[in-house]
Amino acid sequence: AQTVTQSQPEMSVQEAETVTLSCTYDTSESNYYLFWYKQPPSRQMILVIRQEAYKQQNATENRFSVNFQKAAKSFSLKISDSQLGDTAMYFCAFANQGGSEKLVFGKGTKLTVNP
Amino acid sequence: DARVTQTPRDKVTEMGQEVTMRCQPILGHNTVFWYRQTMMQGLELLAYFRNRAPLDDSGMPKDRFSAEMPDATLATLKIQPSEPRDSAVYFCASGRVGEQFFGPGTRLTVL
Repeated sequence: AQTVTQSQPEMSVQEAETVTLSCTYDTSESNYYLFWYKQPPSRQMILVIRQEAYKQQNATENRFSVNFQKAAKSFSLKISDSQLGDTAMYFCAFANQGGSEKLVFGKGTKLTVNP
Repeated sequence: DARVTQTPRDKVTEMGQEVTMRCQPILGHNTVFWYRQTMMQGLELLAYFRNRAPLDDSGMPKDRFSAEMPDATLATLKIQPSEPRDSAVYFCASGRVGEQFFGPGTRLTVL
C-alpha cells in the first residue's frame, strides 16, 4: 500500500520570503501522480500543483514549484514570495496512474505566513 | 467556471437520524470520490465511482453507510443510523485521469 509522509506538522515564514514543505512517499509503482493541495480556513481543498512521475522536469505554477526526486521518493513544495493568503494546511497526495486513482494523503503541514 | 457542488454545507443532527449528502460533479468528469476528513485520521477515501459504477467502497462502514450515483450529475452518501463518531467533514471530488477537484465539503455534526 502507498503511504505519504509529511514530517513537518507546522511551519511559519515571513511575508515575501521562501519556504519549502517536505513530503516523502512509498510505492512500488513506476507510473503515478503527485499533488499538493492547499486547504485554507474556508476548508476548500484547492489543487496547487501536480507532477507526473514519468516527467523529469519539475512542475511549476507561478510562485509554487516542486522538487521531485523519484529515486529518493521525495516531493517537496517551494513557495516563493510568500503571501498572507498562503496561510493554510498543505497536503501532499499520491495517486496511481491507471487502475485506482484514489488519492492517498499525508497528514498535512500547517503553514502560517507572518506579516 | 466549472466546480463540484455539495449540499448541505453544514448539517447538525442527532444520533440515530438518517443523513444524506449530495454532490454534483463537474460535467464531463467520469470519476467521483467521497473522502472523509477528521482530526485523528486525516483525509481518507470512503468510496469512488467510475462511469457511475462503484469501484471501491472498502473505506466505508458497510452496515451504516451507502453511496450511490443515480445519474451522471448526482452522487449521494447516506448514513443510517448516524453516530457521534461520524462527525467529520465529507468531501466529494470529481476527476479525470490525473486530476481531482474537490467540492466545498459537508461538515457533519452528530450529537
